Amino acid sequence: EIVMTQSPATLSVSPGERATLSCRASQSVSTNLAWYQQKPGQAPRLLIYGASTRATGIPARFSGSGSGTEFTLTISSLQSEDFAVYYCQQYNDWPLTFGQGTKVEIK
Amino acid sequence: EMQLVGSGGGLVQPGGSLRLSCAASRSTFSSYDMSWVRQAPGKGLEWVSTISGDGDSTYYADSVRGRFTISRDNSKNTLYLQMNSLRVEDTAIYYCAKHAYRGAMGVWGQGTTVTASS
Repeated sequence: EIVMTQSPATLSVSPGERATLSCRASQSVSTNLAWYQQKPGQAPRLLIYGASTRATGIPARFSGSGSGTEFTLTISSLQSEDFAVYYCQQYNDWPLTFGQGTKVEIK
Repeated sequence: EMQLVGSGGGLVQPGGSLRLSCAASRSTFSSYDMSWVRQAPGKGLEWVSTISGDGDSTYYADSVRGRFTISRDNSKNTLYLQMNSLRVEDTAIYYCAKHAYRGAMGVWGQGTTVTASS
């Protein structure tokens, strides 16, 4: 099983600042990686797939990078609606696995 | 955009069974792989199972293999999860999701809550 490890667990950021979230895979997943946003009481929403392609309707302030085992989600200028929990997920191999999540909170 | 509506959750005693359903709004349902993902209270996301668009291929997490069965009825645009021998640790919100880009899940249902407790 490919283990996905996200860091940090919690990120405190002021509105308008940049947020950088990391995701590491225990073995290479190529670029078969997705990022999701989840707000309290809501289902997850797909932000990024293929490690760097924004899903339909996702604002340009969200960007993804990386390949192999190291990945990054960057939110260039945090808006109030971006405070949420973010998960990475690999789909390179079965079982599909998620990271434990990074909570982005208001500083 | 396809919409997904999950149902069938509830309170069940350990050892009991439930069947979850997920109704899709579009007739292109059969074109897509579908998954169930769960989230225990206060915890992260855990993939449970995936079925191919034609229903011929299924995949399961080790934690549910042999107890849960994923299936679909493309004539009814509906996905199912039959859950048997439920355990306390199966308590979670269960989301159905449509695969949009290989294994990336592009559309999610609202979730249905399963509680296994005596």
